[in-house]
Amino acid sequence: EIVLTQSPATLSSSPGERATLSCRASQSVSTYLAWYQQKPGQAPRLLISDASNRATGIPARFSGSGSGTDFTLTISSLEPEDFAVYYCQQRSNWVLTFGGGTKVEIK
Amino acid sequence: QVQLQESGPGLVKPSETLSLTCTVSGGSIGSYYWSWIRQPPGKGLEWLGYVYYTGSTNYNPSLKGRVTISIDTSKNQFSLNLISVTATDTAIYYCARSSSPYNFYYMDVWGKGATVIVSS
Repeated sequence: EIVLTQSPATLSSSPGERATLSCRASQSVSTYLAWYQQKPGQAPRLLISDASNRATGIPARFSGSGSGTDFTLTISSLEPEDFAVYYCQQRSNWVLTFGGGTKVEIK
Repeated sequence: QVQLQESGPGLVKPSETLSLTCTVSGGSIGSYYWSWIRQPPGKGLEWLGYVYYTGSTNYNPSLKGRVTISIDTSKNQFSLNLISVTATDTAIYYCARSSSPYNFYYMDVWGKGATVIVSS
């Protein structure tokens, strides 16, 4: 099973700052990687698929990059509504797995 | 737009079967992959498996054969059965739709989630 490791576990930032979240896979997943945002009491929301494609309705301040084993989600300028937990997710060998999450909190 | 709603018992006894149904509204259940994902309290996400509108299925091997997902296209519903539950199966259970009708890789429509507690 491919393991996804997200770092940091918690990112303390202020509105307007740039946030960079990392996701590392235990083996190559090509570009079969997604990012989700989850707010307390809500279901996850798809942000990015295939490593860099923004989902419908997702603001341009969210961008994804990477391939193989190293991936990054960048939020160019944090808005108040962006403080949440972010998960990466991959598909491999007909199984989907998620990373442990990065919590983006207000500094 | 398409909406999903989970339903089922919120409390299940250990060793019994957890059963949930997801009702799809605002669109047809045809042509997509339909998944179940769960999230234990305060923890991360675990994908349980999917059913395609044709009825074909694929499950997470970590569930060791305890999970079955089925679909009823006439009712626009799909269901989850998890047998022999223990306290570690306590979680919020989400149903979700694939973002593409051609593969199950990602999920772009989610239900609000159903909390299931396993306890005697």
